[in-house]
Amino acid sequence: SQKIEQNSEALNIQEGKTATLTCNYTNYSPAYLQWYRQDPGRGPVFLLLIRENEKEKRKERLKVTFDTTLKQSLFHITASQPADSATYLCALGQLIWGAGTKLIIKP
Amino acid sequence: DTGVSQDPRHKITKRGQNVTFRCDPISEHNRLYWYRQTLGQGPEFLTYFQNEAQLEKSRLLSDRFSAERPKGSFSTLEIQRTEQGDSAMYLCASSFVAVEETQYFGPGTRLLVL
Repeated sequence: SQKIEQNSEALNIQEGKTATLTCNYTNYSPAYLQWYRQDPGRGPVFLLLIRENEKEKRKERLKVTFDTTLKQSLFHITASQPADSATYLCALGQLIWGAGTKLIIKP
Repeated sequence: DTGVSQDPRHKITKRGQNVTFRCDPISEHNRLYWYRQTLGQGPEFLTYFQNEAQLEKSRLLSDRFSAERPKGSFSTLEIQRTEQGDSAMYLCASSFVAVEETQYFGPGTRLLVL
């Protein structure tokens, strides 16, 4: 069956540093992968989409990579800020979602 | 564009009762999705519609769950004979699939079954 894994433990990062989150998957070859942000008690908010033929995508301080050989996507936030603290979800295609990684940026 | 709205935002019910949730998608969006999310987990796909047609339904969805989108606009999700295990956040999302794959989520309906 399809499986998608994200770091289950919270990630604590010092403000100003780069945060890197990992999304690994098995038994699936998605045409694209998406990253969303979710704050407590709210629905997820779209951040970035990367397609299988793209290696890297950037948006402001965000960067996503996609390695279809390793079946892995990395999500980077550079110059992190306390306001970046949230849970970050990856999704394969539209319907398969990871459990998310909680990111905490400490001032 | 007011975004995706869901009603009610919170629902407390007793085991065995039926509940119905409503989702109003972004007006021009042709796809509408329902998900369930429990604490510490990602959204779990339940079902989705393209216009008024229900195209896919999760195998995990029991017969107690039913969803409709009668005119291709708003949708309802009904849970019959609720169980304590149904307690979760129910999320609705919409997208305009011909343009982009991005889903826009509503604020969710939090259900507590006592």
